Amino acid sequence: EPEVTQTPSHQVTQMGQEVILRCVPISNHLYFYWYRQILGQKVEFLVSFYNNEISEKSEIFDDQFSVERPDGSNFTLKIRSTKLEDSAMYFCASSGRGSEQFFGPGTRLTVL
Amino acid sequence: AQTVTQSQPEMSVQEAETVTLSCTYDTSESDYYLFWYKQPPSRQMILVIRQEAYKQQNATENRFSVNFQKAAKSFSLKISDSQLGDAAMYFCAYRSGLNRDDKIIFGKGTRLHILP
Repeated sequence: EPEVTQTPSHQVTQMGQEVILRCVPISNHLYFYWYRQILGQKVEFLVSFYNNEISEKSEIFDDQFSVERPDGSNFTLKIRSTKLEDSAMYFCASSGRGSEQFFGPGTRLTVL
Repeated sequence: AQTVTQSQPEMSVQEAETVTLSCTYDTSESDYYLFWYKQPPSRQMILVIRQEAYKQQNATENRFSVNFQKAAKSFSLKISDSQLGDAAMYFCAYRSGLNRDDKIIFGKGTRLHILP
């Protein structure tokens, strides 16, 4: 069964460093998303991406964040200069023509 | 803006018993989807069940079923014959049907404990 994959599973970084979180969506999907879950809190939408451009972004998704689909298979989330409050679980999701979004296993980001 | 409310932060149920998790939502849209996601300790998001708003029939998936009350904007999840593996955080979620790439809006979750 096709699935969304994410790497790395856990990323530890120093405050102020850049991180890139990687996702490989399901191959025939067209819509891609990033969500964030701070420990103990609910899952929050960050950004959606379709046809090589951002469809929608939340107020969390400020200038420190960017997304890219560099090679037609990977979908990346870059945080330019990490802050302590960026520590969270980051989920990538993708969807095709149906209603369901398929979630990856998440990347745990720890900012020290 | 759409909101999803889960008023039960934690619940416990005896193994093999039935438990119902509550969820209410607010929207002015008529076309939308509702979901229940399970998040075990691994923190993976697993889709449990999906309901299309235009369908009157309540969705069922094996031991999981929903009670969808559109007028009341209520969407509860019933787990029958609870098993130890059902212990997890459960999130109720909403997605607009307006655009194919609409985001999912999650509730705060209900942590379900299964008592052996």
